Amino acid sequence: EDKVVQSPLSLVVHEGDTVTLNCSYEVTNFRSLLWYKQEKKAPTFLFMLTSSGIEKKSGRLSSILDKKELFSILNITATQTGDSAVYLCAAAQGNTGKLIFGQGTTLQVKP
Amino acid sequence: ETGVTQSPTHLIKTRGQQVTLRCSSQSGHNTVSWYQQALGQGPQFIFQYYREEENGRGNFPPRFSGLQFPNYSSELNVNALELDDSALYLCASSQQLSGGNYEQYFGPGTRLTVT
Repeated sequence: EDKVVQSPLSLVVHEGDTVTLNCSYEVTNFRSLLWYKQEKKAPTFLFMLTSSGIEKKSGRLSSILDKKELFSILNITATQTGDSAVYLCAAAQGNTGKLIFGQGTTLQVKP
Repeated sequence: ETGVTQSPTHLIKTRGQQVTLRCSSQSGHNTVSWYQQALGQGPQFIFQYYREEENGRGNFPPRFSGLQFPNYSSELNVNALELDDSALYLCASSQQLSGGNYEQYFGPGTRLTVT
């Protein structure tokens, strides 16, 4: 059965801390790995990763994919209260690019 | 803002009724996928429409059906509503190219409550 597992499920840190969110996957006909941030409703696109070992960066956020070990990490440096959200990773599968989501990691950043 | 819009924002229905949710895709996108997100869970794939045809379906019963129109907007219809259908319904818009990987952008969702 196809599955995506995220860890930890929840995390509480203080502003300025660095966090690492984990995502492992076992998905047949894997195409790519996507990360989203969900604050209230709409998941907001962060990254799409298709190749192993190539880090993608956007400001304080970065992510990398390991297609041999079947996992990805999302790093957030110098966290801010505005980073508080649920972070979702999803594996895109097959020709449709159907997204198979993990359960999400709830991040709370305290002042 | 992704340019993906959904309506209505919230909806309350009673068990057994039917509901139609709407999604307008981002300009230039030809594909709409629908997802159901229960509280505390990640979204689950319902189905995808590409150029007005269903192009893949998740593990949802036939009472979940959809349409895509020539302007690539889409509808999700759910018949014979059950209490477990209460969820956030999200649509995702993308520009699907043959053999490529493509980013999917989500709309704000419709919160459906079935009583």
